Amino acid sequence: NAGVTQTPKFRVLKTGQSMTLLCAQDMNHEYMYWYRQDPGMGLRLIHYSVGEGTTAKGEVPDGYNVSRLKKQNFLLGLESAAPSQTSVYFCASSPGTGYIGELFFGEGSRLTVL
Amino acid sequence: GNSVTQMEGPVTLSEEAFLTINCTYTATGYPSLFWYVQYPGEGLQLLLKATKADDKGSNKGFEATYRKETTSFHLEKGSVQVSDSAVYFCALDSGAGSYQLTFGKGTKLSVIP
Repeated sequence: NAGVTQTPKFRVLKTGQSMTLLCAQDMNHEYMYWYRQDPGMGLRLIHYSVGEGTTAKGEVPDGYNVSRLKKQNFLLGLESAAPSQTSVYFCASSPGTGYIGELFFGEGSRLTVL
Repeated sequence: GNSVTQMEGPVTLSEEAFLTINCTYTATGYPSLFWYVQYPGEGLQLLLKATKADDKGSNKGFEATYRKETTSFHLEKGSVQVSDSAVYFCALDSGAGSYQLTFGKGTKLSVIP
């Protein structure tokens, strides 16, 4: 009964370091999303995927890359972290067509870039 | 483009008070509307939804009615509890293959005993 699982839950990076956030879902959902949440900004979509092997840019994609090699996993990468990427990152999934607005969220990953 | 505007928070209420959180939207076409709730330290959860004009979504004592004439989807609850303390997000899905939700900035609710 895991749902959407994000790892790691906390991470501190230095400017210029790289890292990957992993999102795994066990609900056989087609669509997956990465959001960032910042105070006073709500949630902003970074990248999303509508199926295995596909990815697309959201509202704030710069500085991030993603991959969806397996249907159940969606990876978010930061190649060269910047302090502006300090945020809480949420992964979400959705069954697909007809369920666009019904997202299932992970518990979040808090990233601090020094 | 699409946008969602929520009332500024934080909102502090006493237990058993009436709650209203205002939400208005701008969208083309016929969007679906949602309220999500985020409890402390957790991810967002879908609270309720409405997919067409005049629909009323309801769950856990919360209600919201899709008003196309006023482009609004206000969240209401008749008697809040301490356990309702959370951040509430209004969101819309414009459909038409957009594949994504547009969220409001969130309204933090604190309920005191």
